[in-house]
Amino acid sequence: AQSVTQPDIHITVSEGASLELRCNYSYGATPYLFWYVQSPGQGLQLLLKYFSGDTLVQGIKGFEAEFKRSQSSFNLRKPSVHWSDAAEYFCAVGSNYQLFWGAGTKLIIKP
Amino acid sequence: IAGITQAPTSQILAAGRRMTLRCTQDMRHNAMYWYRQDLGLGLRLIHYSNTAGTTGKGEVPDGYSVSRANTDDFPLTLASAVPSQTSVYFCASSEASGRTDTQYFGPGTRLTVL
Repeated sequence: AQSVTQPDIHITVSEGASLELRCNYSYGATPYLFWYVQSPGQGLQLLLKYFSGDTLVQGIKGFEAEFKRSQSSFNLRKPSVHWSDAAEYFCAVGSNYQLFWGAGTKLIIKP
Repeated sequence: IAGITQAPTSQILAAGRRMTLRCTQDMRHNAMYWYRQDLGLGLRLIHYSNTAGTTGKGEVPDGYSVSRANTDDFPLTLASAVPSQTSVYFCASSEASGRTDTQYFGPGTRLTVL
């Protein structure tokens, strides 16, 4: 069965520090993987997606993610976070007509 | 371009009452979706529609119904609300219904059932 695990419920980093948010998936075929961001009180916005090809994917707002098939992971990274990055981040895997979602990781930025 | 609009923004509802959450998109997307978001559970798909005139059940469809009379509108109805339906509801759309398509989300409706 398809599933997505985001092991960290929340993460706190200092402004300017690097960030890595973890995502592990379970899927029987080639995964189609997404990262979305949800700012407080807002809907979700696509950051980046992976379908095939280069396993390092660039997204909006300076984010990137790396697909590692051997580890069933699709971790999100940013070299230097800004206070405006404080939000909740969701990883999802696409299957047929729907996406299966992780529970989310809340990112807290320390000034 | 507004994208996806949802109404109401929030609602407090007595248990047993009927409620329809509205969703309208102006992107002429074929596929539309309703999710509920609960703390610690992420988003769960309630119902979806691949194209106007068709609907399907998602992961948690019980207690909810949908219709898709045209491309733009995809209302979600709670026939008799129960407290466990207290949640934030998001409508989304995508150009097609394949698993590679980017979904675009509305701002959400916060529903409280007492």
